[in-house]
Amino acid sequence: GAVVSQHPSRVICKSGTSVKIECRSLDFQATTMFWYRQFPKQSLMLMATSNEGSKATYEQGVEKDKFLINHASLTLSTLTVTSAHPEDSSFYICSAIGSPSELEQFFGPGTRLTVL
Amino acid sequence: AQSVAQPEDQVNVAEGNPLTVKCTYSVSGNPYLFWYVQYPNRGLQFLLKYITGDNLVKGSYGFEAEFNKSQTSFHLKKPSALVSDSALYFCAVRASYNTDKLIFGTGTRLQVFP
Repeated sequence: GAVVSQHPSRVICKSGTSVKIECRSLDFQATTMFWYRQFPKQSLMLMATSNEGSKATYEQGVEKDKFLINHASLTLSTLTVTSAHPEDSSFYICSAIGSPSELEQFFGPGTRLTVL
Repeated sequence: AQSVAQPEDQVNVAEGNPLTVKCTYSVSGNPYLFWYVQYPNRGLQFLLKYITGDNLVKGSYGFEAEFNKSQTSFHLKKPSALVSDSALYFCAVRASYNTDKLIFGTGTRLQVFP
């Protein structure tokens, strides 16, 4: 199946700093990428949908100035958590879809963010 | 609005026994249904999907799911459980016909005991 990678897998940062998480589709071109947030023992919460070359579409309640998403190419999307605070600590997961005919999303391994 | 429900937080089964992880859905129109598995500190892995056609869908690792329109269910099954199947399982439905967004259930933790 298609492979999606995320980097870093784990990051610890101080409150007030910004953190960038990369999501790459390794063996296919991703027309659409999604960013999710998962709290411990909870389901995935969709944060935003990004399409290459256009602005991301954020879900209700997600601050677009806080969570900056850039989908610069068909294989790379980045999520930047700006001025991170302890409440931003979470597991962030990206997923990607290739051609429009493919309905299943392929997920990255996730990034564990801890803000001190 | 589309939604899925996973009524069981946890399912326990002995190795070698059949397993079922339940999922019910609520959609307007034809449902696009998915099952994913998540191992600790990992992303989700696709198991199988139902779009149309045969109600019994076969997927990865010996899993299958049966689409039941009258009961609005899409239960995940496996004839013989393995200890390595222990993980968190998510049922998902496409948010609407014109979007790729998925709505996930709350997840069911499967524990297979040796």
